[in-house]
Amino acid sequence: QKEVEQDPGPLSVPEGAIVSLNCTYSNSAFQYFMWYRQYSRKGPELLMYTYSSGNKEDGRFTAQVDKSSKYISLFIRDSQPSDSATYLCAMAVQGAQKLVFGQGTRLTINP
Amino acid sequence: KAGVTQTPRYLIKTRGQQVTLSCSPISGHRSVSWYQQTPGQGLQFLFEYFSETQRNKGNFPGRFSGRQFSNSRSEMNVSTLELGDSALYLCASSLVLAQGARGYTFGSGTRLTVV
Repeated sequence: QKEVEQDPGPLSVPEGAIVSLNCTYSNSAFQYFMWYRQYSRKGPELLMYTYSSGNKEDGRFTAQVDKSSKYISLFIRDSQPSDSATYLCAMAVQGAQKLVFGQGTRLTINP
Repeated sequence: KAGVTQTPRYLIKTRGQQVTLSCSPISGHRSVSWYQQTPGQGLQFLFEYFSETQRNKGNFPGRFSGRQFSNSRSEMNVSTLELGDSALYLCASSLVLAQGARGYTFGSGTRLTVV
């Protein structure tokens, strides 16, 4: 069983919809939770990061962490075709120098 | 501000050969990490260097090695290439964010194909 599980999709939604992306994890030592976006033929770019539990909002994006359930989510409001990409969750233990990634979810926003 | 630069972008090698990939981090970033990305396994951590020292290593065979130079540029080497080494190799440089989180900036990667 992988430390971080993420449904690879693909997920296809109409423009303007609210998108929900999720990951579950098994390592209770994870303290840092991140979401990366990766466009085709590009490296991942950091979208959001959260320390421990709670919510964080940045524009149309909201990240949620529920450590009691070992479950994290990314919500995208008013989705745009330019949001079409693969979204990767990533986690790290405090003091560690490596990220553990989910498999990534391929998202398509249809105009 | 220049991002993380990886060269070459694409490589085709034959089984048994060796390959060296290069990464130039963002100016001022002293930590460089390498990841392998494949459709089956996703992104997997290879190793991390800081001030020319390897601080952490992932679960990869000894054929995978790396080094970092005094200007923070890094190289990774794969010897005796196997078909399964075909992947996108990503380099990331990082700095510490609030609350101790590390913000990794990735390069566009080197696409290695082993035939």
